[in-house]
Amino acid sequence: DAGVTQSPTHLIKTRGQHVTLRCSPISGHKSVSWYQQVLGQGPQFIFQYYEKEERGRGNFPDRFSARQFPNYSSELNVNALLLGDSALYLCASTLAGTQYFGPGTRLLVL
Amino acid sequence: GQQVMQIPQYQHVQEGEDFTTYCNSSTTLSNIQWYKQRPGGHPVFLIQLVKSGEVKKQKRLTFQFGEAKKNSSLHITATQTTDVGTYFCAVDPYNQGGKLIFGQGTELSVKP
Repeated sequence: DAGVTQSPTHLIKTRGQHVTLRCSPISGHKSVSWYQQVLGQGPQFIFQYYEKEERGRGNFPDRFSARQFPNYSSELNVNALLLGDSALYLCASTLAGTQYFGPGTRLLVL
Repeated sequence: GQQVMQIPQYQHVQEGEDFTTYCNSSTTLSNIQWYKQRPGGHPVFLIQLVKSGEVKKQKRLTFQFGEAKKNSSLHITATQTTDVGTYFCAVDPYNQGGKLIFGQGTELSVKP
């Protein structure tokens, strides 16, 4: 079975631009969560979606938004990019309390 | 809210030596999960502990949850080069599986 997939794998943007990151959960998983992992730190929770509804939001500014589609895939959008948004963005799908992480999208903001 | 502190930040060992990382909280934890992240990789789920005093083993890995549910440890016996990576503890504060609060991680390097 395919695991969690994310696209793109790498991305370079400049300050002020916006970005859309995509995630497809494991088949049958209805919950998707997004995390930001800055180099040298643990992942930080951004959003959780379940059945297309937002279930949780971490301490991130309104420049960060997300949505989940009927097929349970998800998008994370970040507007007005800042240098500090450079990070690995991880998507995880959840089943029975266990989170399965995708390979992540490495975003570099110049 | 529930937060976890992890020590040490780095650990360098000779292959064959043991390794332990500790996860501590000032509040009682509902559960604790452990993840491993290889260099350049993503976190991979290892185990979840939910009961006070729980001990679980996976081959050379031993996981413990403290009696007061305020701390946890991961011990690796006789490290191998394949153990290299960063080990994170994480708590799921709502027991829903969707939101995890991660510790800072312990980066393990193993010298052959």
